[in-house]
Amino acid sequence: NAGVTQTPKFQVLKTGQSMTLQCAQDMNHNSMYWYRQDPGMGLRLIYYSASEGTTDKGEVPNGYNVSRLNKREFSLRLESAAPSQTSVYFCASSEVRYEQYFGPGTRLTVT
Amino acid sequence: GQQVMQIPQYQHVQEGEDFTTYCNSSTTLSNIQWYKQRPGGHPVFLIQLVKSGEVKKQKRLTFQFGEAKKNSSLHITATQTTDVGTYFCAEARVGGADGLTFGKGTHLIIQP
Repeated sequence: NAGVTQTPKFQVLKTGQSMTLQCAQDMNHNSMYWYRQDPGMGLRLIYYSASEGTTDKGEVPNGYNVSRLNKREFSLRLESAAPSQTSVYFCASSEVRYEQYFGPGTRLTVT
Repeated sequence: GQQVMQIPQYQHVQEGEDFTTYCNSSTTLSNIQWYKQRPGGHPVFLIQLVKSGEVKKQKRLTFQFGEAKKNSSLHITATQTTDVGTYFCAEARVGGADGLTFGKGTHLIIQP
């Protein structure tokens, strides 16, 4: 089992460009999450999906959109990237109220 | 909004010394999870505590949940270089499916 996979691993964008971060899990988990990690800030929840077909905002949703394509896949889209979105992005999956499994992360730089 | 405060932010120890990180909340926590993140890596789950006063051990790691469920600690005995990384506490909120609220983490730096 691959667990949680994310693509790409690294990305550099110019301000105003758009991109989609991909995430997939093979553990048959219902819940999936997107977090961002900034130095000194810990991890902050951007969006989550409790089950296929549902998505909800987390702590820092502004500037992002998500799609729960099916039970396996949960994508994060930046429509118009800004330097403030420079961060490391982690996708995670879990069963409700149990441990979360994190992907390897996408390191995004917006210039 | 709810906050989970974690101290210290950084801890330097000599290899073989003990290490403790603390997690505090102004409100009652429904549960607490602990994660470890190696430099350049992703968070990896260590343990979950749910019951008041709960104590769990994993080899050299001891996890505690306070009696009032407002604080938690992780203690590592006789640190090794493999313990280097950032340790996070996090709360899974009552609803359960709506993600974790993380503390800002404690960076453990070990000097050989």
